[in-house]
Amino acid sequence: QSALTQPASVSGSPGQSITISCTGTSSDVGGYNYVSWYQQHPGKAPKLMIYEVSNRPSGVSNRFSGSKSGNTASLTISGLQAEDEADYYCSSYTSSSTWVFGGGTKLTVL
Amino acid sequence: QVQLQESGPGLVKPSETLSLTCAVSGYSISSGYYWGWIRQPPGKGLEWIGSIYHSGSTYYNPSLKSRVTISVDTSKNQFSLKLSSVTAADTAVYYCARAGYDSIDPWGQGTLVTVSS
Repeated sequence: QSALTQPASVSGSPGQSITISCTGTSSDVGGYNYVSWYQQHPGKAPKLMIYEVSNRPSGVSNRFSGSKSGNTASLTISGLQAEDEADYYCSSYTSSSTWVFGGGTKLTVL
Repeated sequence: QVQLQESGPGLVKPSETLSLTCAVSGYSISSGYYWGWIRQPPGKGLEWIGSIYHSGSTYYNPSLKSRVTISVDTSKNQFSLKLSSVTAADTAVYYCARAGYDSIDPWGQGTLVTVSS
């Protein structure tokens, strides 16, 4: 299974909005509404930020939102804050009953 | 609150078998969900290794399938990973996690396994 495609890095200034894309195939992202997003700070385990394309777990800021069109999912972070600086990974359930991750995107808050 | 904790040797010799266990608390493995292993080489991204369903069915990443075995011990509420014939490329932080179709959550804290003689 091939990793989902994410940009290696994105950046934005505090208060701005950024969007991270995640492109897969009809066997994963495009075939299911089972895309999730994870935030990972250095030395920490990934934290679930978005599940089932656009749902936020309890406790996650509403500045985080998700969407999907065809084989591409997106994570948008609005009102950027310094604490948002981290690595972000998308993931999708696949037709092989496995999960696949994106390569990860490093978010820099300028 | 569901919690997962990985345990096992932090150093494995090349060509040997890496063995890790994930202890689950706050939820009975036999009640449902998939239970999976994910790894992250130093400075790199996440890689799904495989999972076991509460019924015992297993699903592996095709790229690792020939070397991976995941098993479950419901009496101890834990599941395990064995990765054979390891090389330096298998050096990584290994995470265990609970997986549903819609998300992977929660995760264990992760354990670093180094392959070196």
